[in-house]
Amino acid sequence: DAGVIQSPRHEVTEMGQEVTLRCKPISGHDYLFWYRQTMMRGLELLIYFNNNVPIDDSGMPEDRFSAKMPNASFSTLKIQPSEPRDSAVYFCASSHATRIGETQYFGPGTRLLVL
Amino acid sequence: DQQVKQNSPSLSVQEGRISILNCDYTNSMFDYFLWYKKYPAEGPTFLISISSIKDKNEDGRFTVFLNKSAKHLSLHIVPSQPGDSAVYFCAAIQGAQKLVFGQGTRLTINP
Repeated sequence: DAGVIQSPRHEVTEMGQEVTLRCKPISGHDYLFWYRQTMMRGLELLIYFNNNVPIDDSGMPEDRFSAKMPNASFSTLKIQPSEPRDSAVYFCASSHATRIGETQYFGPGTRLLVL
Repeated sequence: DQQVKQNSPSLSVQEGRISILNCDYTNSMFDYFLWYKKYPAEGPTFLISISSIKDKNEDGRFTVFLNKSAKHLSLHIVPSQPGDSAVYFCAAIQGAQKLVFGQGTRLTINP
């Protein structure tokens, strides 16, 4: 299995621009998670889906952030408009429902820099 | 409000010695704890976990200790090896699938 795939791996954009991050989870996994990593706060859960349905979006910072999962093999995290404080590494992870915790498999991340 | 805290941003240990990484939490409802390891340019990978009904779990060179009364857990790596150099994240379960992570500790193993 290829694992969780994220694109792009790096993104540099200017303040005010729209940014779209993409994720392909591991086939057969029914949970998908979006995290953000910063030096100050470590890994923060932004939102997670179960069977393509958003379950908990309490970690989404503000209305500029939105996430969708149109099908079991694809999800997007969109920031519009982007701001310099959004600069971080964004991770997507997926897991199977039968076991908790240890079966969250992470993608390699997207490093976002907003100028 | 940081519910899981790793107060040491970095730790440097000599190869062959013991590495001890610490983690504190504030939410007494957490009932499962995990450690993840992260290399540069890669996503975190699961390392070891412990249920709140236990106080110790061991897997090879890695042991996690849980002190519920102090709301504290630690990861012991012995002996430490150069390949252990990475960022280690402590995490706690809130609900069936929701992980709450700490800030991470960068461990450097010196030859």
